[in-house]
Amino acid sequence: DTGVSQNPRHKITKRGQNVTFRCDPISEHNRLYWYRQTLGQGPEFLTYFQNEAQLEKSRLLSDRFSAERPKGSFSTLEIQRTEQGDSAMYLCASSLGGGAPEQYFGPGTRLTVT
Amino acid sequence: GNSVTQMEGPVTLSEEAFLTINCTYTATGYPSLFWYVQYPGEGLQLLLKATKADDKGSNKGFEATYRKETTSFHLEKGSVQVSDSAVYFCALTTTGNQFYFGTGTSLTVIP
Repeated sequence: DTGVSQNPRHKITKRGQNVTFRCDPISEHNRLYWYRQTLGQGPEFLTYFQNEAQLEKSRLLSDRFSAERPKGSFSTLEIQRTEQGDSAMYLCASSLGGGAPEQYFGPGTRLTVT
Repeated sequence: GNSVTQMEGPVTLSEEAFLTINCTYTATGYPSLFWYVQYPGEGLQLLLKATKADDKGSNKGFEATYRKETTSFHLEKGSVQVSDSAVYFCALTTTGNQFYFGTGTSLTVIP
């Protein structure tokens, strides 16, 4: 078990471009979460999957954001028509769910929109 | 709604000093409470947790007690080390899905 992994670790893009991030959760975890963290703030919840089903989405997740988890394993987060305000660290976490609520976080993808 | 308030940092302590980082919460329902730590250049790591009132979570010399009457979950350590320098986040969940995090408290321990 190598923990939660995220790729890429850093992404610099120009405003208006599309970007996609990938998250590979801990293999036996059926729940996967995306958060956004800006400088000096704690992570803010974006969305959550149980297996392949997206069960919850935050108001922070605008129409330009879409997340998928097609086979209940890895997940992708796509941002279309990026804006400078999208610059942040995007964190992925996974958990077993049920009676074990603790989430395990990946190292994050730092997005810079120029 | 659900929210977490942490004491503002940064906090600077000398090695072997006593550490307290205050955390209070507001929650609908019965939350589970957590402390996460983020070392420089690394991701968030679970430090400790407590899932019901009066539970004490502990790990690596850190402790926190779930106090329902004061809606608090303060983090303490009796003797900090340089290696404890990090950002500490208090968090809660009521559903086991969405976590609510505080803004983080930066700790620097000097030799």
